[in-house]
Amino acid sequence: EIVMTQSPATLSVSPGERATLSCRASQSVSNNLAWYQQKPGQAPRLLIYGASTRATGLAARFSGSGSGTEFTLTISSLQSEDFAVYYCQHYHAWPPMYTFGQGTKLEIK
Amino acid sequence: EVQLVQSGAEVKKPGESLKISCKGSGYSFTNYWIGWVRQMPGKGLEWLGIIYPGDSNTKYSPSFQGQVTISADKSISTAYLQWSSLQASDTAMYYCARLDAVVGRTILWYFDLWGRGSLVTVSS
Repeated sequence: EIVMTQSPATLSVSPGERATLSCRASQSVSNNLAWYQQKPGQAPRLLIYGASTRATGLAARFSGSGSGTEFTLTISSLQSEDFAVYYCQHYHAWPPMYTFGQGTKLEIK
Repeated sequence: EVQLVQSGAEVKKPGESLKISCKGSGYSFTNYWIGWVRQMPGKGLEWLGIIYPGDSNTKYSPSFQGQVTISADKSISTAYLQWSSLQASDTAMYYCARLDAVVGRTILWYFDLWGRGSLVTVSS
């Protein structure tokens, strides 16, 4: 079973600054990696799929990178609405598994 | 509008049964897999299983196989998640989500559309 590990657990950043969130897979997952944002009291929202493709309508300040076992979600200039919990997720073809990381809470510094 | 509308909050006692629903609209419900995701209070996201409403092909996470049942009624564009005997540990928010894919060198799968969640509380 592939384990997804996100770091840090909590990231404190000031508005306007850059935030870098990491996700590591216990074995190579190629580019089958998605990122989701979840705000308090809301459902998760797709941000990135295929490790680097932005979801429709997503602001350009969000970018994803990486391949294999190391992935990064970067938010170039934090806006107030970006403070939330972020999850990475991997899909495994067989047996089918949709494994989420434990999440990174991005909070205002 | 493309959306998934989930049933409302439920409060149940241990040992009771429950079936929650997820109704899709604004797209071809039978052509997309629907997944269920659990979020226990203050915790992260866990995948329970997926179903293809077109033929009710279902796949479960090994962690939830035998614990829940996923079904669908394509005639009313609705997927279901059910329990035969609830436990206090089933207390959580349950989300349904549509699974989309991009076919390239590999197939990239992701949950692109989410319902608002159904809160299930199990307490004596």
